[in-house]
Amino acid sequence: DTEVTQTPKHLVMGMTNKKSLKCEQHMGHRAMYWYKQKAKKPPELMFVYSYEKLSINESVPSRFSPECPNSSLLNLHLHALQPEDSALYLCASSPTVGGRGLGGELFFGEGSRLTVL
Amino acid sequence: AQKVTQAQTEISVVEKEDVTLDCVYETRDTTYYLFWYKQPPSGELVFLIRRNSFDEQNEISGRYSWNFQKSTSSFNFTITASQVVDSAVYFCALSENTGGFKTIFGAGTRLFVKA
Repeated sequence: DTEVTQTPKHLVMGMTNKKSLKCEQHMGHRAMYWYKQKAKKPPELMFVYSYEKLSINESVPSRFSPECPNSSLLNLHLHALQPEDSALYLCASSPTVGGRGLGGELFFGEGSRLTVL
Repeated sequence: AQKVTQAQTEISVVEKEDVTLDCVYETRDTTYYLFWYKQPPSGELVFLIRRNSFDEQNEISGRYSWNFQKSTSSFNFTITASQVVDSAVYFCALSENTGGFKTIFGAGTRLFVKA
């Protein structure tokens, strides 16, 4: 059983909808991530939160808005998406050492498969 | 800049065969971390192993073994006596010390193990 839980598992939305993806972990990790994965491609980093603060934004369009309400939760708010945003969205967490990543292994959730019509 | 190359796009083997997945990496950092992840058809990526750049010891875990060679910038993964359940996409990944939280994935190798 995965220790990173993502909801919903599947989401279909129109281009004018507003929806959110949710992620929860209880491993005490202080780094949390959003990755986007298209079919037959590797995961691509979108955002990193370290100690509930946004640490990395990989030039993601503003129609994706991350939020980290506390150390266990990570949200991804979606608004005005395009069909090309359809993908598997993966949440992950990792341990930190002295507040730094230091190559901590990633623990992934099962992902939220998003379809934008 | 960091880069991970997995030249094998797809590999198909028959059960009980041994198979090696290749991984070549590039980095300017002297301290870095290498990983292998498995992604079965269900979609969840599963962490398999992490190696630090200063630890070139090879590792064996059951049917899995990893060969890390800094001289050739390679971190290869061998599955001995493959099983159908090993069918998945395997990703090699690299994280630099200066990058902290940034992990770069290779393109992945899709392994098919036929009964």
